[in-house]
Amino acid sequence: KAGVTQTPRYLIKTRGQQVTLSCSPISGHRSVSWYQQTPGQGLQFLFEYFSETQRNKGNFPGRFSGRQFSNSRSEMNVSTLELGDSALYLCASSPGYSGNTIYFGEGSWLTVV
Amino acid sequence: DQQVKQNSPSLSVQEGRISILNCDYTNSMFDYFLWYKKYPAEGPTFLISISSIKDKNEDGRFTVFLNKSAKHLSLHIVPSQPGDSAVYFCAASNAGGTSYGKLTFGQGTILTVHP
Repeated sequence: KAGVTQTPRYLIKTRGQQVTLSCSPISGHRSVSWYQQTPGQGLQFLFEYFSETQRNKGNFPGRFSGRQFSNSRSEMNVSTLELGDSALYLCASSPGYSGNTIYFGEGSWLTVV
Repeated sequence: DQQVKQNSPSLSVQEGRISILNCDYTNSMFDYFLWYKKYPAEGPTFLISISSIKDKNEDGRFTVFLNKSAKHLSLHIVPSQPGDSAVYFCAASNAGGTSYGKLTFGQGTILTVHP
C-alpha cells in the first residue's frame, strides 16, 4: 500500500512569490492535514481537510491556504512568500475518524531567498 | 502556550538498556496520544498510540504509559538499539471532539543509543 506522497520534495522560491505544494494521501484516507516544521517553532498544525471541506485550522496568516479534491488529494498554497516561510512542510493522512492513526509523508523542503 | 511539553531535549542510553522518553500536557481535552520517530529531512514515522481510556499500550519493544491525573505520558523502549537513535515527538489530539485531525506536538527529544 503506497504511503503519503508529497511533491515537490525540494524547492527554492524568491521572496514575494507564491508556491503550491501537493499531497496524495494513502488510498482510502479522507483526511489530509498539513504541518510546518521550523527549528524555532517545531511542528505546527496548519489546517485539515476532510471530504473537500476544511475541518480544522491552525494559527497561520491568510497567506497560507489549502484545498482538497474529490479524490482526497490536497494542495496547499503560500502567497507572498517571506523568508520566515522557509521550512519543511509535512502532509499527513488518516481515515479521518476518532482514534485513527495519522501517517506523514516525507515532506516538502521550501527555501525562500 | 506550549500545551504539549517534552522537557528533556536529549537522552543518551547504552545499547540494550531501557530508554524512557517523557511528555507532559496541559489541555484536559486531549484524549488521544501518539509517539512519532523522526530523522532529519524526513517525515515523522508513527510508533505507537494510546487512548485516554487506557493507561498502557504495548507494541513489540515499545510501550506507552498514560497517567491522566498527572497529565503525563511516557514511551519506554526495551531493549534500546542504535537504530533507535532519532528525534522522538509526542503528539496529542482531542479525538472525542471534532479536532482529531489536528495534532499538537511537543518539541521533541533527541535519543542517542550508544553501541
